Amino acid sequence: EVQLVESGGGLEQPGRSLRLSCTVSGLTFGDYAMSWFRQAPGKGLEWVGFIRSKTYGAATQYAASVKGRFTISRDESKSIAYLQMNSLKTEDTAVYYCSTFAVYRADYWGQGTLVAVSS
Amino acid sequence: QSALTQPPSASGSPGQSVTISCTGTSSDVGTYNFVSWYQHHPGKAPKLMIYDVSKRPSGVPDRFSGSKSGNTASLTVSGLQTEDEADYYCSSYAGVNNISFGGGTKLTVL
Repeated sequence: EVQLVESGGGLEQPGRSLRLSCTVSGLTFGDYAMSWFRQAPGKGLEWVGFIRSKTYGAATQYAASVKGRFTISRDESKSIAYLQMNSLKTEDTAVYYCSTFAVYRADYWGQGTLVAVSS
Repeated sequence: QSALTQPPSASGSPGQSVTISCTGTSSDVGTYNFVSWYQHHPGKAPKLMIYDVSKRPSGVPDRFSGSKSGNTASLTVSGLQTEDEADYYCSSYAGVNNISFGGGTKLTVL
């Protein structure tokens, strides 16, 4: 069974940093690109960014709203994808989801982790 | 404001069919056949229902179908069941490795 489990969410102040983890099991992690999405309270889903597999150089792409502040990385030995969030803003408050990512679609999703940014 | 436009709500009775639209532009839906639909029960993991406009992942009932005409994609749910009540989101590749989403449609099974 494929499982994706996000962790690392919580309450943080504006301007601070937070790192989310996405632990993957049930598939060969190295074969998959990974993506992060978020859903702000009362809003729809928003794509945050993705990281290609190591085969494709682990290249990354980001939404304009987070580019320069957020960084996605991956650890093949642990089957974990990370989302490093710097210079947090109140508008980054959301539930953050990770997913596997193939040809611009998200096949498997985690259940999300809540990030709240407030002073 | 979302890049793709969906109706905020849709409804139907059990056994009926309902279609949810997703309107984009020639920069996304109108050009690329990378339109996906996701079902989201609040508090749970979203689920991929349709990809590449009209393909169904393994395990998704054939009651769910997708199509596209011009800049508008559509998701049709036939033979509505109570468990189909959820939020549905469309997404589309929008060029330069960018992904756009619709604002979501709350489907109510009456």
